[in-house]
Amino acid sequence: DVVLTQTPVAQPVTLGDQASISCRSSQSLVHSNGNTYLEWYLQKPGQSPQLLIYKVSNRFSGVPDRFIGSGSGSDFTLKISRVEPEDLGVYYCFQATHDPNTFGAGTKLELK
Amino acid sequence: QVSLKESGPGILQPFQTLSLTCSFSGFSLGTSNMGVGWIRQTSGKGLEYLATIWWDDDKYFNPSLNSRLTVSKDTSNNQAFLKITSVDTADTGTYYCTQNDYSSPHWFAYWGQGTLVTVSS
Repeated sequence: DVVLTQTPVAQPVTLGDQASISCRSSQSLVHSNGNTYLEWYLQKPGQSPQLLIYKVSNRFSGVPDRFIGSGSGSDFTLKISRVEPEDLGVYYCFQATHDPNTFGAGTKLELK
Repeated sequence: QVSLKESGPGILQPFQTLSLTCSFSGFSLGTSNMGVGWIRQTSGKGLEYLATIWWDDDKYFNPSLNSRLTVSKDTSNNQAFLKITSVDTADTGTYYCTQNDYSSPHWFAYWGQGTLVTVSS
């Protein structure tokens, strides 16, 4: 199975600062059709995960533009500029290129 | 708008069969490209994609649990079902159902609130 390694495990932040989360894959996530199926989800406390980013860098409907996904191959990053209180929670990367599709273990964005 | 809600037994004993229901609105499993997926969150494995049932009755199963999983649907009543046989404590966790859309570029845009399942003797 493809292993997605997220770092750091926890990211302490000050509101208004930028945060950066890394997701590294044990294999390239480029599909044979040329697409890269790497997504980011945020799970706020007590809630279900919610989709933020799909295909590396595309924001889902309603997601603020302070969320920026980037990367290629097996190395991906989610940047959150100007962190707001509603951004706190656990961020997960997810790959749908290889079967079985897998999630990373999560990165907790928390206040310093 | 799309809405999903899971329901289940809450608690069950080892070796029993877990049966979950996903009741949804805002889409139909009678419509091409629609599916209902199941994801669980356990302390041992984190988030784990289990299975999807599609509008045409095609099914996907995670190979690691394939032999224990069954998915089905009731299109008329907007429900989908997941069964896991021979549960043990490692199956304890929160189970989510999601809308899947084969024609969309993303996987899990809509999630239910989740239902907690505890396996204990």
